[in-house]
Amino acid sequence: KNQVEQSPQSLIILEGKNCTLQCNYTVSPFSNLRWYKQDTGRGPVSLTIMTFSENTKSNGRYTATLDADTKQSSLHITASQLSDSASYICVVSEKTSYDKVIFGPGTSLSVIP
Amino acid sequence: KAGVTQTPRYLIKTRGQQVTLSCSPISGHRSVSWYQQTPGQGLQFLFEYFSETQRNKGNFPGRFSGRQFSNSRSEMNVSTLELGDSALYLCASSLTSGTKAQYFGPGTRLLVL
Repeated sequence: KNQVEQSPQSLIILEGKNCTLQCNYTVSPFSNLRWYKQDTGRGPVSLTIMTFSENTKSNGRYTATLDADTKQSSLHITASQLSDSASYICVVSEKTSYDKVIFGPGTSLSVIP
Repeated sequence: KAGVTQTPRYLIKTRGQQVTLSCSPISGHRSVSWYQQTPGQGLQFLFEYFSETQRNKGNFPGRFSGRQFSNSRSEMNVSTLELGDSALYLCASSLTSGTKAQYFGPGTRLLVL
């Protein structure tokens, strides 16, 4: 069964610190992997999207990595800010005729002063 | 360019009633996908419409239905509401069919009493 798991479930860090969120998936065949940031009460916003051949993608202070062999991805946040407090969702697309998506449960990040 | 808009933003209904939610995609986008988000299940795919045709459907009962108009605006209908239908309903639009480069709306928060 195609699944996406994320760890940790929740995380609290001090402002200015770095953190890394993990995503493991069993989706096959693989099409692409995306990381979304979702603020409370709002829709998800795309941070990065990576295909099979890409192993790193950056978006400002956010850097995503992908290891397609081990089916693992990570999202590294550098110099965290209070506005980084949100849920981070890993989404993997299955390579089908219509690009079926499987969502991870998300990691809730709280950045405190 | 205006983003994805959803109306209403909040809705309270009672069991057995029906509800219609609306989504206006980004101008020029022809694909609209609908998702249900609950604390227990996370984000789950409902269905996708492209050029007024349902392209694919998730594993939801027939009480959940949708349609898309010629201007790409989409509506989702839920009949015979159940308590478990309480959720954040998100729609996402993209230029082409599929889930790549989706832009999410702010969501409609539905509470069923």
